[in-house]
Amino acid sequence: KAGVTQTPRYLIKTRGQQVTLSCSPISGHRSVSWYQQTPGQGLQFLFEYFSETQRNKGNFPGRFSGRQFSNSRSEMNVSTLELGDSALYLCASSPGGGSTQPQHFGDGTRLSIL
Amino acid sequence: GENVEQHPSTLSVQEGDSAVIKCTYSDSASNYFPWYKQELGKGSQLIIDIRSNVGEKKDQRIAVTLNKTAKHFSLHITETQPEDSAVYFCAANSGNTPLVFGKGTRLSVIA
Repeated sequence: KAGVTQTPRYLIKTRGQQVTLSCSPISGHRSVSWYQQTPGQGLQFLFEYFSETQRNKGNFPGRFSGRQFSNSRSEMNVSTLELGDSALYLCASSPGGGSTQPQHFGDGTRLSIL
Repeated sequence: GENVEQHPSTLSVQEGDSAVIKCTYSDSASNYFPWYKQELGKGSQLIIDIRSNVGEKKDQRIAVTLNKTAKHFSLHITETQPEDSAVYFCAANSGNTPLVFGKGTRLSVIA
């Protein structure tokens, strides 16, 4: 069974630009969660989608948004990029039905803002 | 909301020795506690998890213990090997709430 696939693996952008990251969950998984990982803050929850609906949202500004498609693939968008958005963005999928199910992570997208 | 504290932040052990990483949580409603291993340049891999209805779970050289009264849980790795070197994260949640992660422990196994 293929794992969680995130594209692209690396991305370099400049301040003020916008970026879209993609996540393909494990086949059959309906829940996709996004996290931001930085050395100082660790893993911080961005949002979770289940059956194309946002089920949970973390404490990030509205510049961070996401969506989920009918095939469970998810995208995350960050607009008006800031230097502080430089981080590893991870997505994780789970079967769904409740957050206390094992989540499986992709290898992440490393975003660098110049 | 939930808050998870993880200690130590770095840990060095000799190959063959045991390693223990401890986490505390604040929300007594939390009932799911996974542990993840993150190797350099990769995402996090689920290595073991425990639910609040059990006190201990083992999987070969890895074990997790949970003390609900004290609100802490620990990861135990026995007979450590160089390939165990990685960053380990604990997490906690309940119901439909998001996972809350500890800040991570960098484990180095010295051959």
